[in-house]
Amino acid sequence: EIVLTQSPVTLSLSPGERATLSCRASQSVGSFLAWYQQKLGQAPRLLIYDASNRATGIPARFSGSGSGTDFTLTISSLEPEDFAVYYCLQRRDWPKTFGQGTKVEIK
Amino acid sequence: QVQLVQSGAEVKKPGASVKVSCKASGYAFINYGIGWVRQAPGKGLEWMGWISPYNGNTNYAQKLQGRFTMTTDTSTSTAYMELRSLRSDDTAVYYCARDPSAFDIWGQGTMVTVSS
Repeated sequence: EIVLTQSPVTLSLSPGERATLSCRASQSVGSFLAWYQQKLGQAPRLLIYDASNRATGIPARFSGSGSGTDFTLTISSLEPEDFAVYYCLQRRDWPKTFGQGTKVEIK
Repeated sequence: QVQLVQSGAEVKKPGASVKVSCKASGYAFINYGIGWVRQAPGKGLEWMGWISPYNGNTNYAQKLQGRFTMTTDTSTSTAYMELRSLRSDDTAVYYCARDPSAFDIWGQGTMVTVSS
């Protein structure tokens, strides 16, 4: 199965700062990668699909890039509501697999 | 609006079975796959499987094969998952999600606790 490795595990930043999250795949997933945000006690929310497409209603400060094995989620200027855990998901091959998550916390 | 509403929390003993429902509304149920994802307390997301309400095709995570079954009832726009021979490490929140490609709509989650 395809293993997704996210880095860093934890990112400590202040509101207004730029966040850069990485997701690396053990083999190429093309552009078949999505990003999710999860807040404590809530279901995940789709942010980005197919590497770079924002889902409906997602603010423009969220952007995704990459292809093949290396992907990045960028939050251009952190808002208070953006502090959460972020997961990547590949759908290139069965089984679909998630990364282990990156926690974005308030510094 | 488009939503998935799951059944309520369950407490089961080791060795028992649990069945969780996921009722869809606001869209054409047969047109989108349904995926199941679980999350153990304090842990990350684990993909469990996928089913097509259109033709019943399924794909299961290998580690769950043999004790995990997904079904759908198109007459009520409801998806079901059943997990058998429960163990303590099956304690988790179980989510259903609409899956046209990426999971775009999620249920609210169902807490399943396995404890003697």
